[in-house]
Amino acid sequence: GENVEQHPSTLSVQEGDSAVIKCTYSDSASNYFPWYKQELGKRPQLIIDIRSNVGEKKDQRIAVTLNKTAKHFSLHITETQPEDSAVYFCAASEGGYQKVTFGIGTKLQVIP
Amino acid sequence: GAGVSQSPRYKVAKRGQDVALRCDPISGHVSLFWYQQALGQGPEFLTYFQNEAQLDKSGLPSDRFFAERPEGSVSTLKIQRTQQEDSAVYLCASSPSVRINYSNQPQHFGDGTRLSIL
Repeated sequence: GENVEQHPSTLSVQEGDSAVIKCTYSDSASNYFPWYKQELGKRPQLIIDIRSNVGEKKDQRIAVTLNKTAKHFSLHITETQPEDSAVYFCAASEGGYQKVTFGIGTKLQVIP
Repeated sequence: GAGVSQSPRYKVAKRGQDVALRCDPISGHVSLFWYQQALGQGPEFLTYFQNEAQLDKSGLPSDRFFAERPEGSVSTLKIQRTQQEDSAVYLCASSPSVRINYSNQPQHFGDGTRLSIL
């Protein structure tokens, strides 16, 4: 089955700096890669996703890149703000199979 | 209208008791998923429904766990003879059935049920 590894597990940045979270996956058949943000005690919220037919996607301060050959994908947050502080999860799934496999999560702290 | 709704939000049970957790998916969503999230971990897949059919239950940890979705909308996750290791947040998610470019649609999560077994 799919295995998703995520690092770092914790990340502290100064407000205004950039944050990068990296993930690798094992199943070359995976073709959908969502990223979720989860604040303490709340539901995971989808913040951005990418499909394997594109290499990069951007939405305001958030961007995701995908390298299918190396089987890794990354989340980039620019101009970080205190409200970006949360746990971020990467995930991967294969198109013919609905199961989504999550990474362990990265706790991001943005220091004002 | 609203997003995925789960109840109860918190459940405390004594070891050995049975519990039932409810999920109301987004109206019209065909796919429904249950996940278990331990403290400090990512969600772990438990089971998946497409309409009323349970297509994958490979993540259920033991035969004490049972899920159903009899009319293809509301789903219930039941845990029999609860153990302390069952303590976790149980998340439900739903998604539309239509795929985009042969890949899956985003899953929308509920707030979860925090289960504590004493």
